[in-house]
Amino acid sequence: NAGVTQTPKFQVLKTGQSMTLQCAQDMNHEYMSWYRQDPGMGLRLIHYSVGAGITDQGEVPNGYNVSRSTTEDFPLRLLSAAPSQTSVYFCASSYRGGRTEAFFGQGTRLTVV
Amino acid sequence: AQTVTQSQPEMSVQEAETVTLSCTYDTSENNYYLFWYKQPPSRQMILVIRQEAYKQQNATENRFSVNFQKAAKSFSLKISDSQLGDTAMYFCAFMNSNAGGTSYGKLTFGQGTILTVHP
Repeated sequence: NAGVTQTPKFQVLKTGQSMTLQCAQDMNHEYMSWYRQDPGMGLRLIHYSVGAGITDQGEVPNGYNVSRSTTEDFPLRLLSAAPSQTSVYFCASSYRGGRTEAFFGQGTRLTVV
Repeated sequence: AQTVTQSQPEMSVQEAETVTLSCTYDTSENNYYLFWYKQPPSRQMILVIRQEAYKQQNATENRFSVNFQKAAKSFSLKISDSQLGDTAMYFCAFMNSNAGGTSYGKLTFGQGTILTVHP
């Protein structure tokens, strides 16, 4: 019963490097989303998806790309890492209807130097 | 756009006592859900309790209960009989929904309150 799986758990990048944070869920949830957590600011929505092939921007989308080719996977791409992207990143998924709570992955602590 | 405000950056309580964490929100929508999530040092986000805006009755989950005041846009969390394992960051969160109760899974979070339970 894996739930939402994020990889990697920790990552250090140099400024200008690119990378992909992976997120997979095995609960057949329609909705998936990415958040970043910064001290004193809670979690803020980066991008979200309501189904395969459909994505949209959240509150802080700049510098990030997403795609959703399958129901299960929702990777987050950092195009050219900047120190301002140092943060903890969470992937979450939820059902379209009925119970609406989001299930979260374990998070990725990213440091950009 | 919705906003969620948690005005208590840190709280502390003695084991076995009761503590209340505050949350206020601002929205022009009528259909929504409210949540409290717990984040222990492990970083995992754990759902504590949820409240549907259309329900007048306050939600309760064991030692956790909420005081939902829709008109005042207030959603506080009461933890009774506090335990050492309750030490964590607590986030209040808001999720919009349409008239049919369907959401898009988008959460708006407050800044968080660090709760420390002392033995």
